[in-house]
Amino acid sequence: EAGVVQSPRYKIIEKKQPVAFWCNPISGHNTLYWYRQNLGQGPELLIRYENEEAVDDSQLPKDRFSAERLKGVDSTLKIQPAELGDSAVYLCASHPTGSEQFFGPGTRLTVL
Amino acid sequence: GDSVTQMEGPVTLSEEAFLTINCTYTATGYPSLFWYVQYPGEGLQLLLKATKADDKGSNKGFEATYRKETTSFHLEKGSVQVSDSAVYFCALGVTGGFKTIFGAGTRLFVKA
Repeated sequence: EAGVVQSPRYKIIEKKQPVAFWCNPISGHNTLYWYRQNLGQGPELLIRYENEEAVDDSQLPKDRFSAERLKGVDSTLKIQPAELGDSAVYLCASHPTGSEQFFGPGTRLTVL
Repeated sequence: GDSVTQMEGPVTLSEEAFLTINCTYTATGYPSLFWYVQYPGEGLQLLLKATKADDKGSNKGFEATYRKETTSFHLEKGSVQVSDSAVYFCALGVTGGFKTIFGAGTRLFVKA
């Protein structure tokens, strides 16, 4: 069974540019998460989806971040415009009901 | 609010040494507790878990016991290997497992 797939693995952009990250969860996993992991810290939740519905986006900076999960399968996280402080690893995770989360390898974003 | 505190790293050990990584938590209700491991360039993987007080989670020679009276979930291994070098995250799960709060992580280096 394939794991959680994320792309790109690395992205370097200039500040004020837009950027997008893509995640394909494990087949059949209804719950999908986006986390941000700053250097030397643990992951922090940005948004949680149940199927196509965002059920917890309280930590998402909505002035510049947006996310979507059309058809309740894969998901895209976007930042526009990016700021220097957005440099981090963006992790996607999924899980079936009542189980632990399965993480993708992450996208390492560097904003110059 | 709910939180996790784990010992700061890095922890450097020689091969076959005994490992302990301390983790304490603050939570309302009855959380599940997890240890995740992150190898270089990879996403987080679940190492072990415990869902109620006095449960012992174990996997790959690692173990941790859910201690409600001391609100702790310390990770131990009797004899570490070079391949155990990674970052270890303690985490607690609330809201029926749909919300996971991570500690800052502890980096382990094992020398041959």
